[in-house]
Amino acid sequence: VQLVQSGAEVKNPGASVKLSCNLSGDAFSIHFIHWVRQAPGQGLEWVGLVNHKNITAYADKLEDRVSMTRDTSTPTFHLELSSLNSDDTAVYFCAGDMIIWGQGTLVTVSS
Amino acid sequence: DIVMTQSPPSLSVTPGQPASISCKSSQSLLDSDGRTHLLWYLQKPGQPPQVLISEVSKRLSGVSDRISGSGSGTDFTLQISRVEAADVGVYYCMQSLQLTSGAFGGGTRVEIK
Repeated sequence: VQLVQSGAEVKNPGASVKLSCNLSGDAFSIHFIHWVRQAPGQGLEWVGLVNHKNITAYADKLEDRVSMTRDTSTPTFHLELSSLNSDDTAVYFCAGDMIIWGQGTLVTVSS
Repeated sequence: DIVMTQSPPSLSVTPGQPASISCKSSQSLLDSDGRTHLLWYLQKPGQPPQVLISEVSKRLSGVSDRISGSGSGTDFTLQISRVEAADVGVYYCMQSLQLTSGAFGGGTRVEIK
């Protein structure tokens, strides 16, 4: 299984961003897709998870701004984060069962 | 909330010497199913993290046997028996018992002297 993420994004404060994570190979061997972010020069922060049935769990500090979904017809998972601010500038990783990781997507929030 | 505290923040190790990283959780990571939900990751510069250890001490396939994990309850340790250049990076512990309230330790940077 491989996880391939969408490309870098630059957004204005207050905007939303939607990131993608596509699974190739035996997608159903992965039970949960987790999203983890890393601000520049900082540590890892767990953002949330979603499974094939669109069951989700989110980090307490982000739950009012984050949404995770799965496409109905493809093994592609999405993270949408709204009301962006500069603290959301980070590399966002998707990780299958916290074992197999995507390459990361840089999100820059700047006016 | 579960708070994960790692120490030390950084280590400088002579090649061939051992290294040890501590990780303490603010509450027990032992689940009712008997499993302890503690993992260790290594993040090399410019790369996503790679998992080394799951459930405290289970080394994942392809991970060097120089790396081992131990501990129980709230106190955990990652040990590298003989540090090599390939071990350089930042090590993170992570609890997966209650993900929504804080998962990762702050990280320990390992460098070669």
